[in-house]
Amino acid sequence: DAKTTQPNSMESNEEEPVHLPCNHSTISGTDYIHWYRQLPSQGPEYVIHGLTSNVNNRMASLAIAEDRKSSTLILHRATLRDAAVYYCILRDYNTNAGKSTFGDGTTLTVKP
Amino acid sequence: DTEVTQTPKHLVMGMTNKKSLKCEQHMGHRAMYWYKQKAKKPPELMFVYSYEKLSINESVPSRFSPECPNSSLLNLHLHALQPEDSALYLCASSQTHPQGNYGYTFGSGTRLTVV
Repeated sequence: DAKTTQPNSMESNEEEPVHLPCNHSTISGTDYIHWYRQLPSQGPEYVIHGLTSNVNNRMASLAIAEDRKSSTLILHRATLRDAAVYYCILRDYNTNAGKSTFGDGTTLTVKP
Repeated sequence: DTEVTQTPKHLVMGMTNKKSLKCEQHMGHRAMYWYKQKAKKPPELMFVYSYEKLSINESVPSRFSPECPNSSLLNLHLHALQPEDSALYLCASSQTHPQGNYGYTFGSGTRLTVV
């Protein structure tokens, strides 16, 4: 399964935009890019996913590079509640309930 | 109902005990997963069930025994665990292929301590 790499940590100020990068240079044509976040003492929470085009939802935006070897999760106005570990993973839509490997993730700190 | 419910939330067990973790979802998802997460580490996949059949076992020791009695329920039976098995055990569910647009829904986990 394809691997993802992310910076260990990032900091942001409250109400400013945050861009969280993810590299996935071995991505295959059938891999969706998914983002999750995990708050302390909780399970990971789905944030957003995409295949080729940029995506927006109420939580965030996902920008996907043209060659799909990297992506960026964008939080438009960070709040203190956005402080979490953010994981970027790949999911192959061609497999039945296939496995995805979580990378080490990025710990986002939001300063008031 | 858009939740995955895990019970118990906390469990302390001795190395000779037998216990079970339970996971339930009513979203009609036919894929269910067990993950193990150590402190400050990412979740690690243990087992995948697809349509109530075990499809992936990530070389997990036999002291962990999964069971999927029906499409809504997933159990993890624990026996003769070691202190290093102490971790957060996460259950997740998802739709299956061919709906490529599916994400995982995770439960809040069971915090297991082996003494």
